[in-house]
Amino acid sequence: GEDVEQSLFLSVREGDSSVINCTYTDSSSTYLYWYKQEPGAGLQLLTYIFSNMDMKQDQRLTVLLNKKDKHLSLRIADTQTGDSAIYFCAESNPRNGGSQGNLIFGKGTKLSVKP
Amino acid sequence: DVKVTQSSRYLVKRTGEKVFLECVQDMDHENMFWYRQDPGLGLRLIYFSYDVKMKEKGDIPEGYSVSREKKERFSLILESASTNQTSMYLCASRTQGMGNTIYFGEGSWLTVV
Repeated sequence: GEDVEQSLFLSVREGDSSVINCTYTDSSSTYLYWYKQEPGAGLQLLTYIFSNMDMKQDQRLTVLLNKKDKHLSLRIADTQTGDSAIYFCAESNPRNGGSQGNLIFGKGTKLSVKP
Repeated sequence: DVKVTQSSRYLVKRTGEKVFLECVQDMDHENMFWYRQDPGLGLRLIYFSYDVKMKEKGDIPEGYSVSREKKERFSLILESASTNQTSMYLCASRTQGMGNTIYFGEGSWLTVV
């Protein structure tokens, strides 16, 4: 079955890099996503990566994908207090929900940034 | 910009009441979803719909039903609310096709007393 695992908490100091890790089990997943949820709000898409890529960079965000190990990471450079949030890893698979492709989410990693 | 609007941000209902959570999207998306989010459990899919009048059960459909009479609107119904349905409910939508982004509403906090 499909499962997405991520650690529940991460604490870093302002200005350091944060690395949030995720593992998934379904090797046929074609897209992998990172969503951010600020307190009291819904989820917003941060970035996504197609499974034939191994890296994607977008300003302070770097996504690394190791398809062999089914490992995904999100690196946030120069972490700021405004980055404090819950970060969800998710995979998209056409076998979930038929051809429309549901997302399977991890439980979320709560990132705390200390000044 | 895509907008997914959940009509109620905060609700308090009594046990046994019928509860409607409404969600509207303005981007003509085919697919719509209802999730619930609980601490330590992440997001769990309740129901989704890939077309008007179509619905599919997600991982935790028990105690819930849905309605999709119009493409832009997807309603979640709790026929008889119970305290274990106290949670944050998130609506989402996307267009069909692999890789297309799911957009979320701001969430509805439901407390059942």
